[in-house]
Amino acid sequence: AQSVTQLGSHVSVSEGALVLLRCNYSSSVPPYLFWYVQYPNQGLQLLLKYTTGATLVKGINGFEAEFKKSETSFHLTKPSAHMSDAAEYFCAAKILTGGGNKLTFGTGTQLKVEL
Amino acid sequence: NAGVTQTPKFRVLKTGQSMTLLCAQDMNHEYMYWYRQDPGMGLRLIHYSVGEGTTAKGEVPDGYNVSRLKKQNFLLGLESAAPSQTSVYFCASSQMGLAGSDTQYFGPGTRLTVL
Repeated sequence: AQSVTQLGSHVSVSEGALVLLRCNYSSSVPPYLFWYVQYPNQGLQLLLKYTTGATLVKGINGFEAEFKKSETSFHLTKPSAHMSDAAEYFCAAKILTGGGNKLTFGTGTQLKVEL
Repeated sequence: NAGVTQTPKFRVLKTGQSMTLLCAQDMNHEYMYWYRQDPGMGLRLIHYSVGEGTTAKGEVPDGYNVSRLKKQNFLLGLESAAPSQTSVYFCASSQMGLAGSDTQYFGPGTRLTVL
């Protein structure tokens, strides 16, 4: 069964610093990969996704992620954190199966941005 | 275009009571999903639907029932609520379930407390 692991349930960075949120997946077949962001008391919003092709994916709000098959990773980065980036981030993986289009989520990483 | 909406936003139940959560989408999506979100556990799939009149079990279906009588609506029912069902419930929809690269769009969530 596929699984998604997010290292670090809480990450704290200074405003202007690099943001790095880690995501690893376990699957015998490379899955489609997604990053979602959840602001307080809101639903999940898609940041970016990898399906096929270029392994470096750019998303909204200056975020990007790189798919590395050899490392089974899909880490999320942003060069310079902003206070508005404070939120919870979820990595998710999808493998096409006969049973449908199901996402497997990681447990989430809460990002705190400090002045 | 409202996207995915959920009713109600908040609800408090007593153990043993029943209730129905309503999800509506105006994007003409085929696939719809119900998730629950619990601290430290990410999102877990309860039930999903691949089209009007169809439903299927997800990862944690026990204690819940669903119906998809109309393409735009997906109802989640709790027949006899238990404190373990205290959670935040999210509905999502997507266009082409088996395509893999499609995005799931999430509603704002329903916060349910069972006393």
